[in-house]
Amino acid sequence: DGGITQSPKYLFRKEGQNVTLSCEQNLNHDAMYWYRQDPGQGLRLIYYSQIVNDFQKGDIAEGYSVSREKKESFPLTVTSAQKNPTAFYLCASKGRQLTNYGYTFGSGTRLTVV
Amino acid sequence: KQEVTQIPAALSVPEGENLVLNCSFTDSAIYNLQWFRQDPGKGLTSLLLIQSSQREQTSGRLNASLDKSSGRSTLYIAASQPGDSATYLCAVDQTGANNLFFGTGTRLTVIP
Repeated sequence: DGGITQSPKYLFRKEGQNVTLSCEQNLNHDAMYWYRQDPGQGLRLIYYSQIVNDFQKGDIAEGYSVSREKKESFPLTVTSAQKNPTAFYLCASKGRQLTNYGYTFGSGTRLTVV
Repeated sequence: KQEVTQIPAALSVPEGENLVLNCSFTDSAIYNLQWFRQDPGKGLTSLLLIQSSQREQTSGRLNASLDKSSGRSTLYIAASQPGDSATYLCAVDQTGANNLFFGTGTRLTVIP
């Protein structure tokens, strides 16, 4: 079945370390997104990409970086510049087919600073 | 900027009861509205999507309505079951925004 795969499910980062979260989709969607979820807050947009080799900053892009070299993949790097990275990270893609214009989400990666 | 509000923040009901979750948004220039379910520690599962030109959508025991002019949507759950216990999120896809605007969710507990 088509869907979005995020890995790893749990990730631990040491102070000063960069870590990369993986997001892969086989839905043939052009647009992909990264959201951050914190307790008691709504999801906030980090970065999005509407086509390969192009991406745009969202509301909270500082301390994060992305790449979009393939349509299927949109990895997120949490850099040492992100001072409070502990959160739940969700990747999404957006369809434009007649039967589904909505967003599809992955199962998430929980990142913890140790 | 689009703001999405969900009321109530938490709801506890006995099994078998019908219930309504509310969502309001401030900017009516939307592309569509999507209801999601999130179980603890899990990702989001799409429940229903309502296009801006539609008034409601149904899937099984779920019915979602949309009144774009008043900035409101409701999610109706019939004959609730313990398995319905989860957090329900409302999200608005705003025209031209390239983003989903989320409410903070309603945490539903269905008591057996």
